[in-house]
Amino acid sequence: AQSVTQLDSHVSVSEGTPVLLRCNYSSSYSPSLFWYVQHPNKGLQLLLKYTSAATLVKGINGFEAEFKKSETSFHLTKPSAHMSDAAEYFCVVSDRNFNKFYFGSGTKLNVKP
Amino acid sequence: DAGITQSPRHKVTETGTPVTLRCHQTENHRYMYWYRQDPGHGLRLIHYSYGVKDTDKGEVSDGYSVSRSKTEDFLLTLESATSSQTSVYFCAISESTGRDEQFFGPGTRLTVL
Repeated sequence: AQSVTQLDSHVSVSEGTPVLLRCNYSSSYSPSLFWYVQHPNKGLQLLLKYTSAATLVKGINGFEAEFKKSETSFHLTKPSAHMSDAAEYFCVVSDRNFNKFYFGSGTKLNVKP
Repeated sequence: DAGITQSPRHKVTETGTPVTLRCHQTENHRYMYWYRQDPGHGLRLIHYSYGVKDTDKGEVSDGYSVSRSKTEDFLLTLESATSSQTSVYFCAISESTGRDEQFFGPGTRLTVL
């Protein structure tokens, strides 16, 4: 069965410092992986996705993630945090047939001035 | 923004009453999904549809039913609402398979007293 674990429920960084949000997945096949962002009282927006092409995936707003099969990880990074990055981030894995999606429990990112 | 609307946006109801939530899309996307979002759980898939009259269960389908009689509409019904179904419900659409981006609606906040 597939599952996804976000290792930190809360991350706090200072503006201008790097961001690292960690995600590990479990599956017996090569899944599609996604990162979504949810700003307060808003819907979800896709940041980036991995679908078996390049292992380093670039997304919107300067975010990127690296698919590491040997570590079953898909960590999200950004070189320099901005105040507008404060939000909740979700790592998502697809099922084998790419019909269903499984969300991590979310990581809330706080950016301090 | 993808054309997805949800109605109602807010609803308060009493235990034991039936409730129907509507998701409407103008994108002509094949796949539609219903999720619930609860603190500490991320989003969990309730049901999804891969075409008109074609639906399947997600990981938390008990107590919910769905119908899709037209490409643009996907209805979620709580036959007899319980307090445990108090949540924020999101509809999402996707053009084809789970390798594609999902676009999310604005959400419906449901409170069952």
